[in-house]
Amino acid sequence: QVTLRESGPALVKPTQTLTLTCTFSGFSLSTSGMCVSWIRQPPGKALEWLALIDWDDDKYYSTSLKTRLTISKDTSKNQVVLTMTNMDPVDTATYYCARIPDILTGPLYFDYWGQGTLVTVSS
Amino acid sequence: QSALTQPASVSGSPGQSITISCTGTSSDVGGYNYVSWYQQHPGKAPKLMIYDVSNRPSGVSNRFSGSKSGNTASLTISGLQAEDEADYYCSSYTSSSTLNWVFGGGTKLTVL
Repeated sequence: QVTLRESGPALVKPTQTLTLTCTFSGFSLSTSGMCVSWIRQPPGKALEWLALIDWDDDKYYSTSLKTRLTISKDTSKNQVVLTMTNMDPVDTATYYCARIPDILTGPLYFDYWGQGTLVTVSS
Repeated sequence: QSALTQPASVSGSPGQSITISCTGTSSDVGGYNYVSWYQQHPGKAPKLMIYDVSNRPSGVSNRFSGSKSGNTASLTISGLQAEDEADYYCSSYTSSSTLNWVFGGGTKLTVL
């Protein structure tokens, strides 16, 4: 059974750095083709893709946010970590992690999602 | 403004069919068969409903179907049921300078 769960602070202050952890089970990020992404959703608004890390430790970032984002993984702990620097109130959103099951053979969709974690940016 | 354009809302009566459109460009929807659709109920995580334009994951009702023509993808729900009331988002892989995904602005489906 595949599960993902996000964790991190519910409240951060402007200019601070946000660190979120995605802890997953039911699959291994050392499996060829496997990827985990971060996606966010401001309250009442649309989804926005942020970053992806693959089994080979290759990392990809949203063009508009790449200067602020860092994604990393700890395969032994089944965790993926996202950091976002210089947080602003417009970054208030629910942050999701999601799996791409096999980027090598082509299917490029997010098949399992965590329940999300709401991060509010406010002083 | 989202990269993919969806109608803000659609509605239908139980038993009817509705279609939600998702318009992009030749760099995303039109250039790849990597369009996916997600259903999101209030306060819940998105759920994959359609992938690779027209494929349904195991467990998703065959009342849900997808298609694509040019730069526009579509999600059709037939035999509307009350439980289908939700927000629906399309997504596509896009060819920028690196791996990238874009989402639509979302469509609120109301079952009358």
